[in-house]
Amino acid sequence: DIQVTQSPSSVSASVGDRVTITCRASQGISVYLAWFQQKPGKAPKSLIYAASHLHSGVPSRFSGSGSGTDFTLTISSLQPEDFATYYCQQYDDYPRTFGQGTKLEIK
Amino acid sequence: QLHLQESGPGLVNPSGTLSLTCGVSGASISTSRWWSWVRQPPGKGLEWIGEIFHTGSTHYNPSLKSRVTLSVDKSKNHFSLMLTSVTAADTAVYYCATPTDYWGQGTLVTVSS
Repeated sequence: DIQVTQSPSSVSASVGDRVTITCRASQGISVYLAWFQQKPGKAPKSLIYAASHLHSGVPSRFSGSGSGTDFTLTISSLQPEDFATYYCQQYDDYPRTFGQGTKLEIK
Repeated sequence: QLHLQESGPGLVNPSGTLSLTCGVSGASISTSRWWSWVRQPPGKGLEWIGEIFHTGSTHYNPSLKSRVTLSVDKSKNHFSLMLTSVTAADTAVYYCATPTDYWGQGTLVTVSS
């Protein structure tokens, strides 16, 4: 199985801050990585696919980059509604695997 | 706009079978996409269970493969999950989803007598 290691596991930040979350795959996955946002008691929301492509309706302050084994999700200027848990998932190979999540908290 | 909706019992007896259905609206289940199940135990992360194509082709998580069956019903435009021999460790919110984009709202299934 491809292991996906996400870091940090939690981060505290303030409104307006720039935040970066990373995912590292245990082997190369080209650009087959997605990012999801999940708020308490809600289903995950798809943010990014193919490492860097924003889904329709996702604010442009979100961006993704990377290829191969190293990927990043960046939020350029945190807004109050961005405080949530973020997951990455590789879909290059089966079984699909998720990172363990990054909880983004208000400082 | 594609919409997914999970349905099924919220309580299952230990050693019993968990059965859930995901209704698809806004698109035909016979379109060229995979249909997947993901679960999330309370307070924990996401776990991929498996996915199915409308032709019936499947991929399963090896950790669950011996207990999981996915199926598609084209006449009802839905797909289903069956998980046998459940234990308390299978208590989770179960989501149906399309890979990388659409998600259902999720349904909590508790395994308890």
